[in-house]
Amino acid sequence: DIQMTQSPSSVSASVGDRVTIACRASQEISSWLAWYQQKPGKAPKLLIYAASTLQSGVPSRFSGSESGTDFTLTISNLQPEDFATYYCQQVNSFPFTFGPGTKVEIK
Amino acid sequence: QVQLVQSGAEVKKPGASVKVSCKASGYTFTGYFMHWVRQAPGQGLEYMGWINPNSGDTKFPQKFQGRVTMTRDTSISTAYMELSRLRSDDTAVYYCARDFGTGLPNWCAPWGQGTLVTVSS
Repeated sequence: DIQMTQSPSSVSASVGDRVTIACRASQEISSWLAWYQQKPGKAPKLLIYAASTLQSGVPSRFSGSESGTDFTLTISNLQPEDFATYYCQQVNSFPFTFGPGTKVEIK
Repeated sequence: QVQLVQSGAEVKKPGASVKVSCKASGYTFTGYFMHWVRQAPGQGLEYMGWINPNSGDTKFPQKFQGRVTMTRDTSISTAYMELSRLRSDDTAVYYCARDFGTGLPNWCAPWGQGTLVTVSS
């Protein structure tokens, strides 16, 4: 199975900050990576797919990038509604594995 | 709009089975794979597999082989996930999630609201 790691596990930030979350795959996955946002008590929501394509309706302050097996989710100008946990998921090969998550907390 | 509505919370004893339903609306049910994902309390997301509602084909990670069954009833646009021989560490919220596109299975969007399954003696 492909292992996904994320860093940091949590980050404290203020409204207006720029936040960067890293995700690394244990082997090549091309661009078969998604990012999800999950708020407490709610189902996850797809933010970005194919490593850098923004899902319809997702604010443009969210962006994704890739470099080899390293992927990055960037939130520019952090808003109050962005405080949540973010997960990456690879869908290059079965089983489709998730990263352990990164919690974005209010500083 | 696309909507997935899951069945209500369940409490089961160890060794029992649970069957969670996921009723789809707002799209052609047989046109999109359906995924299942679970989340233990305070933990991350764990992928459980998919079903092709058109053919009934399923695929599960090795971890769940022999314990999970995924079925569907196309007449009522509903997918089911049954987990048998329940253990306390199966306590989790179980989500169904439609596949994003109409090709091979990949991204999960949208998701159902989740079903809490508690396994306790």
